[in-house]
Amino acid sequence: KNQVEQSPQSLIILEGKNCTLQCNYTVSPFSNLRWYKQDTGRGPVSLTIMTFSENTKSNGRYTATLDADTKQSSLHITASQLSDSASYICVVGDQAGTALIFGKGTTLSVSS
Amino acid sequence: NAGVTQTPKFRILKIGQSMTLQCTQDMNHNYMYWYRQDPGMGLKLIYYSVGAGITDKGEVPNGYNVSRSTTEDFPLRLELAAPSQTSVYFCASTPQGRGHEQYFGPGTRLTVT
Repeated sequence: KNQVEQSPQSLIILEGKNCTLQCNYTVSPFSNLRWYKQDTGRGPVSLTIMTFSENTKSNGRYTATLDADTKQSSLHITASQLSDSASYICVVGDQAGTALIFGKGTTLSVSS
Repeated sequence: NAGVTQTPKFRILKIGQSMTLQCTQDMNHNYMYWYRQDPGMGLKLIYYSVGAGITDKGEVPNGYNVSRSTTEDFPLRLELAAPSQTSVYFCASTPQGRGHEQYFGPGTRLTVT
């Protein structure tokens, strides 16, 4: 069964610190892996999209990595800001392009 | 561009009532999607459309209907509301296939009591 598992479920960090969120998936074969940021009460917003041949992609202070062999991805946030407080969702697209499988998300809280 | 807009933002329905969730995008995207997000769960695809006049079922279509008469609009219809349909509903669009970035609307929070 195609699944996307994210860890940790929630995370609290101090402003200015770095953090890394994890995503493991069983979707195979897959075509792309995305990370979304979802603020409370808002729709998800795309951070990065990586194809199976890409290892890393950055978007400002957000850097996503992908290891297609181990079926793992991570999202690293550098120098966190209060505005980074949100849910971060990992999404995997199957190769046929017929399905996007969403993880449950990691809730990040950045405190001052 | 306004992007993807959804109305209403909130709605409370009684069991058995019906309603239509509206979704409009002004980016001339061919593909549009409806998702539901239950607390603590990942988004689930309800229906999608690859263009005007074409719709198809997603993972959880039961209890819902859609239509796509224009490129811009993709309304979601609930005919007989049930408590299990209490959720947050998101509409999304993308210019081409699912390999491309999806743009989400702000969501509609629906409660069925």
